[in-house]
Amino acid sequence: SQQGEEDPQALSIQEGENATMNCSYKTSINNLQWYRQNSGRGLVHLILIRSNEREKHSGRLRVTLDTSKKSSSLLITASRAADTASYFCATDHRDNYGQNFVFGPGTRLSVLP
Amino acid sequence: DTEVTQTPKHLVMGMTNKKSLKCEQHMGHRAMYWYKQKAKKPPELMFVYSYEKLSINESVPSRFSPECPNSSLLNLHLHALQPEDSALYLCASSQVGLAGYNEQFFGPGTRLTVL
Repeated sequence: SQQGEEDPQALSIQEGENATMNCSYKTSINNLQWYRQNSGRGLVHLILIRSNEREKHSGRLRVTLDTSKKSSSLLITASRAADTASYFCATDHRDNYGQNFVFGPGTRLSVLP
Repeated sequence: DTEVTQTPKHLVMGMTNKKSLKCEQHMGHRAMYWYKQKAKKPPELMFVYSYEKLSINESVPSRFSPECPNSSLLNLHLHALQPEDSALYLCASSQVGLAGYNEQFFGPGTRLTVL
């Protein structure tokens, strides 16, 4: 079942610019996590934000969470070519089948040198 | 050691073969996960083990059989697979959360091709 949806599906920016990716979800969550994946290999955890938190920072990353709108955003500032990857949000939530952990479809980010 | 290792990196198998994927972590994590990921799609959760007990089985066909021999190892036994099972299989581990899922550490995956 698809819980999170990312927007945009693909984003292309110049090095040094900021990149913003959005994630929407449907049900109440315990937490929302952002992951990065390079070239179809393993995922790397970026940030976990809990349902009672509104904003978190980690280096050049800023994540916001609006539970009233069931949405989150990931901002990457001063982007670098090495930030080129797919970015996924994932929600920890309870549905009809119990506790579940579902990834959104992802945003493919290309940072051009 | 903050690494999750997976073997093999690549696997090609016929529909009548039996093979196993292996995953190992030495971070003391007591939750381990199997995911399936098709090209240009997000990972889909297959199984979750918590304290070596299967806690979540996302209605995965019985041709996939997970096993957790101890707290560091996770196997996925494959038998009579179909070509549509070709995908990247990802293993992950995490601390067991008091409520919900914690930050997961992923292995590099096994790219499986079923002929």
